[in-house]
Amino acid sequence: GENVEQHPSTLSVQEGDSAVIKCTYSDSASNYFPWYKQELGKGPQLIIDIRSNVGEKKDQRIAVTLNKTAKHFSLHITETQPEDSAVYFCAASNAGGTSYGKLTFGQGTILTVHP
Amino acid sequence: GAVVSQHPSWVICKSGTSVKIECRSLDFQATTMFWYRQFPKQSLMLMATSNEGSKATYEQGVEKDKFLINHASLTLSTLTVTSAHPEDSSFYICSAGGWTGELFFGEGSRLTVL
Repeated sequence: GENVEQHPSTLSVQEGDSAVIKCTYSDSASNYFPWYKQELGKGPQLIIDIRSNVGEKKDQRIAVTLNKTAKHFSLHITETQPEDSAVYFCAASNAGGTSYGKLTFGQGTILTVHP
Repeated sequence: GAVVSQHPSWVICKSGTSVKIECRSLDFQATTMFWYRQFPKQSLMLMATSNEGSKATYEQGVEKDKFLINHASLTLSTLTVTSAHPEDSSFYICSAGGWTGELFFGEGSRLTVL
């Protein structure tokens, strides 16, 4: 089955700096890579995702890059703000059409943005 | 984005009792819903895939007789933890597929078994 490794486990940055979280996956059939933000006591919230036919996707301060050859994808947050502090999870699945593949999650990264 | 609602958000019960958690897709129909369990400071672990009108598919190591899943309609899936014990205390989260292919998660239900 799929195995997703996420690094680092904790990340501390100053407000305004950039933050980068990296994930690797093992199953070359995986084609959908979402990133989730989870605040304490809440469910994960989808913040951005990328599919295997795209190498990069950006949404305001958040961007995701995908390297299919190396089987790794990364989350980039620029101009970080204290409210970005949360746990971030990457995930991977093999989704086809309207079939929602099973998500395999990374271990999570605790991001702390210091004012 | 699509909204997935879970109820209750938290529940405390005595050991040996059963607890039902509901997962609803509020503005879309979901033929497939997923149930996850998350222990403190850990990642989400898939428990089962819930398919509308058919039996759920359980992940290896998850007891299907203990965690009963019912997906009777396109907007509702339920997870019943039967004869709950303290080791079942966890954060249970459901997810459902939206019309654009993303998976949206509910807010989670925290179960504490005394």
